[in-house]
Amino acid sequence: DGGITQSPKYLFRKEGQNVTLSCEQNLNHDAMYWYRQDPGQGLRLIYYSQIVNDFQKGDIAEGYSVSREKKESFPLTVTSAQKNPTAFYLCATIDGSASYGYTFGSGTRLTVV
Amino acid sequence: AQSVTQPDIHITVSEGASLELRCNYSYGATPYLFWYVQSPGQGLQLLLKYFSGDTLVQGIKGFEAEFKRSQSSFNLRKPSVHWSDAAEYFCAVGPDDNYGQNFVFGPGTRLSVLP
Repeated sequence: DGGITQSPKYLFRKEGQNVTLSCEQNLNHDAMYWYRQDPGQGLRLIYYSQIVNDFQKGDIAEGYSVSREKKESFPLTVTSAQKNPTAFYLCATIDGSASYGYTFGSGTRLTVV
Repeated sequence: AQSVTQPDIHITVSEGASLELRCNYSYGATPYLFWYVQSPGQGLQLLLKYFSGDTLVQGIKGFEAEFKRSQSSFNLRKPSVHWSDAAEYFCAVGPDDNYGQNFVFGPGTRLSVLP
């Protein structure tokens, strides 16, 4: 079955560490997105990529970095510059027209310890 | 800029009762509108969407929503709620031309269902 795989499901980060969240899709979708979810705030866009080797900042890109070397993969690195990284992170893809809406992964919960 | 409001943070209904979750949006043209549902610790699942045509749209799990342009609303309804409908519901509008095909999400409404 086609879908989006996010790993790990739970991740713990020590102060000052960089951590990388994985997002892999086999839907053959061109565009991929990273969102951060905090209670009561909905989803906020971190980064997105519409084609391989190209990506754009969203509303809250500071302290995060991404790469898009393959169509299937869009990893998100949470750097030590992100001062409040504890959140639920969601990866999404879209196939062509925006009218189709997003397909979401099952998320990664990141906690700072 | 596009925006979405969901006035109700938390709603509690009894099983078998009807449900309406409110969504109001701000958008310059005819928007694409979506409702998503999220169970705890999970991703979001698409319930239904509107982008043209009939303003009453049917979705999965017995949900429907009505697009009212004059009120800038896209309320979600279900005639009889089941205990399994307890979840968080998000309304989204787009696309946001500033960010490719990005959508703007509301803050969500948490639904609790009493037995």
